[in-house]
Amino acid sequence: DVKVTQSSRYLVKRTGEKVFLECVQDMDHENMFWYRQDPGLGLRLIYFSYDVKMKEKGDIPEGYSVSREKKERFSLILESASTNQTSMYLCASSLSRPQHFGDGTRLSIL
Amino acid sequence: AQSVAQPEDQVNVAEGNPLTVKCTYSVSGNPYLFWYVQYPNRGLQFLLKYITGDNLVKGSYGFEAEFNKSQTSFHLKKPSALVSDSALYFCAVRDINSGAGSYQLTFGKGTKLSVIP
Repeated sequence: DVKVTQSSRYLVKRTGEKVFLECVQDMDHENMFWYRQDPGLGLRLIYFSYDVKMKEKGDIPEGYSVSREKKERFSLILESASTNQTSMYLCASSLSRPQHFGDGTRLSIL
Repeated sequence: AQSVAQPEDQVNVAEGNPLTVKCTYSVSGNPYLFWYVQYPNRGLQFLLKYITGDNLVKGSYGFEAEFNKSQTSFHLKKPSALVSDSALYFCAVRDINSGAGSYQLTFGKGTKLSVIP
């Protein structure tokens, strides 16, 4: 079974902090994705990557950046956290289809 | 551009009754369609997919979905609902003709299913 591991289930940070969310997959998948999930809005794609060091903006990239130095790891970075970035963050990976998801990180920015 | 609509925010059904969660989609070409389920404080779990072939797709946990090209729909169904089916359900679509980065999916906003004992 594919395993996608997100480093933290719950995280509390302060406004202005630089926040790192880590995601690791164990199936040598080329494609990795970061979403945020908000009530009533569903899942919205922040960034995705289809290869090491490759990244593409999704629908809502503002305020975020990503890093993919190794195939198995895809990091989401909040450069200067703001309260409107309080959300559930979901990482996913895929070879072709379907996407496999981690359990999510519930991030609160105070 | 591709899009997905889940017209019902919430569906309530009695245990043992059949359930349907609705999904309609819009793509410029032929679609790949998916259903995912999310239990509280968990990530999304894949239930089933339609790529091509038979319009009735069977998936995990007794769920199935019917692809209807003329109505651009992909409704999720189960003949007999269980209390444990209570969860958030997401429909997703990908246009098979989409280009670079084409494995990204577009998700609906989700439907909360409540199965009442």
